[in-house]
Amino acid sequence: AAGVIQSPRHLIKEKRETATLKCYPIPRHDTVYWYQQGPGQDPQFLISFYEKMQSDKGSIPDRFSAQQFSDYHSELNMSSLELGDSALYFCASRARFLAGELFFGEGSRLTVL
Amino acid sequence: DAKTTQPNSMESNEEEPVHLPCNHSTISGTDYIHWYRQLPSQGPEYVIHGLTSNVNNRMASLAIAEDRKSSTLILHRATLRDAAVYYCILRGLMNRDDKIIFGKGTRLHILP
Repeated sequence: AAGVIQSPRHLIKEKRETATLKCYPIPRHDTVYWYQQGPGQDPQFLISFYEKMQSDKGSIPDRFSAQQFSDYHSELNMSSLELGDSALYFCASRARFLAGELFFGEGSRLTVL
Repeated sequence: DAKTTQPNSMESNEEEPVHLPCNHSTISGTDYIHWYRQLPSQGPEYVIHGLTSNVNNRMASLAIAEDRKSSTLILHRATLRDAAVYYCILRGLMNRDDKIIFGKGTRLHILP
């Protein structure tokens, strides 16, 4: 079965640079969630989208922005990168009408040098 | 938000049952109890969920106390692959937009 696809899987950037992470949800899933997991920490909710509109917002820095496109894929844009942004970034999706579980991708590991 | 409390870590021998406890004394009547786990270097994955009755699926069983203030995730025969962080999470029935909020979870170590 198709899963949530995230790209790139690994990304290395310098401080103050910009990074973009992509998430392709499971087909027919209309809701996308982004999470950040720092080293040794639990996943922290950043932001979510339903039908291309932002539906909820967590502890997402102002330097980060995200959107969901017409094909339901989502992108997380991170600017003015800081060392503390080094983390695993997970995307999850679900079909809202099912009110069921979230399906997570394998994650994108961002390293800021 | 209703909170859950889990032990920081647990250990079990391979091929033995594992009982992972979770306390949620402030649970509301419409909160479902969900369990997710995160294997090393992987994204979290759904394990099981329930409301009042005990639940079974191919991965695990969920035993829910009669007063719903606690629950136990049961892995019937642990394998090395079950070594992960297990999260007990409450999700409201009526809130279909509800994201998953991860707490501290229990790190399960499986001894060969």
